[in-house]
Amino acid sequence: DQQVKQNSPSLSVQEGRISILNCDYTNSMFDYFLWYKKYPAEGPTFLISISSIKDKNEDGRFTVFLNKSAKHLSLHIVPSQPGDSAVYFCAASFGGGADGLTFGKGTHLIIQP
Amino acid sequence: DAGVIQSPRHEVTEMGQEVTLRCKPISGHDYLFWYRQTMMRGLELLIYFNNNVPIDDSGMPEDRFSAKMPNASFSTLKIQPSEPRDSAVYFCASSLGGGSGNTIYFGEGSWLTVV
Repeated sequence: DQQVKQNSPSLSVQEGRISILNCDYTNSMFDYFLWYKKYPAEGPTFLISISSIKDKNEDGRFTVFLNKSAKHLSLHIVPSQPGDSAVYFCAASFGGGADGLTFGKGTHLIIQP
Repeated sequence: DAGVIQSPRHEVTEMGQEVTLRCKPISGHDYLFWYRQTMMRGLELLIYFNNNVPIDDSGMPEDRFSAKMPNASFSTLKIQPSEPRDSAVYFCASSLGGGSGNTIYFGEGSWLTVV
């Protein structure tokens, strides 16, 4: 019973186009959401986050959208670059704590030249 | 600044042997987490500590797994006896504070293979 779901194990996008990674959650108590990026043989690194009181957060080429009613969030990368090829994990927490993020299984983004 | 440091990076061991994974969190961080990554289950939280005290170990799969944090700069995750299904990447992570806005920083992981 995964509380955070990333239903696309992989996604292939052409360089310069928009990459959209999706994430669904089931626990309505989650109040903070994060995206992590992971390269092979490295640990996940924090990319961007959003609080449940917002519906959008932007940081350069990265934008996260949150739809609370649908329990859905998405990460948009525009324009996609070769260095964006990595595994992206969606994560969520609740109760005002970083006490153990709940992660999705990840989506492997491949940026094609 | 040094990040979260884990050792060993790679470990191959035989079934039944004891495995000890080590972690040095970022200096000053008061939360430490152990995660496990597998293809089937993704990233799972095993246990976390706050100020060296274990807070939630509900993710520890079995009694064969144990974790300690004797001081603020060191933690271990031990598996005894190890089994092939324990093969995974084990990540240690740390953060400053427990609020939702606090970023968790991960180490590079310890790749464990049990044969």
